[in-house]
Amino acid sequence: AQSVTQPDIHITVSEGASLELRCNYSYGATPYLFWYVQSPGQGLQLLLKYFSGDTLVQGIKGFEAEFKRSQSSFNLRKPSVHWSDAAEYFCAVGAASNFGNEKLTFGTGTRLTIIP
Amino acid sequence: GAVVSQHPSRVICKSGTSVKIECRSLDFQATTMFWYRQFPKQSLMLMATSNEGSKATYEQGVEKDKFLINHASLTLSTLTVTSAHPEDSSFYICSASKGVYGYTFGSGTRLTVV
Repeated sequence: AQSVTQPDIHITVSEGASLELRCNYSYGATPYLFWYVQSPGQGLQLLLKYFSGDTLVQGIKGFEAEFKRSQSSFNLRKPSVHWSDAAEYFCAVGAASNFGNEKLTFGTGTRLTIIP
Repeated sequence: GAVVSQHPSRVICKSGTSVKIECRSLDFQATTMFWYRQFPKQSLMLMATSNEGSKATYEQGVEKDKFLINHASLTLSTLTVTSAHPEDSSFYICSASKGVYGYTFGSGTRLTVV
């Protein structure tokens, strides 16, 4: 069964500092990987996704993530955070086969707090 | 881009009544829709997967008679919480997909049962 681990429940970063959110996955087949962001009381917005090809993927709002198959990781990064980046971040894995018809499995989320 | 509208965004109901939540894909036809439940400060828990015109597939532990899901068209799925009780209070989120175009999430519904 697939699983996603986000080791950091809560991270606090100063505005303007760099950010890395960790994500490790366990999946028996070829995975599709996603990062979503959720503001309080809102749904999920897709930041970026990895299907295949270049292992460094660029997303919206200046985020990027790197897929490392050998480490089963898909860490999210941003070189300089803004106060508006404060939110909950979820990593998710889905099946490459039958994509769109099967569920995504989510990590437990990382809450990001930005301090001035 | 793909847009999913979820309505209502907030609802308060009395214990014992039923509540219906709608999820619409506005600019695409969704072959599959997913319903999630999210407890405070926790991740999303998949409740069920539905395909247009067929019965929903419920995750283990989810009461199908309590959480009725209807996917009558390619653009609309509904979740009805029947005989709601305070323990059903939660944040419910739908997601719609169309094959390789990926998953689009609604903005969620905050249900409070009093």
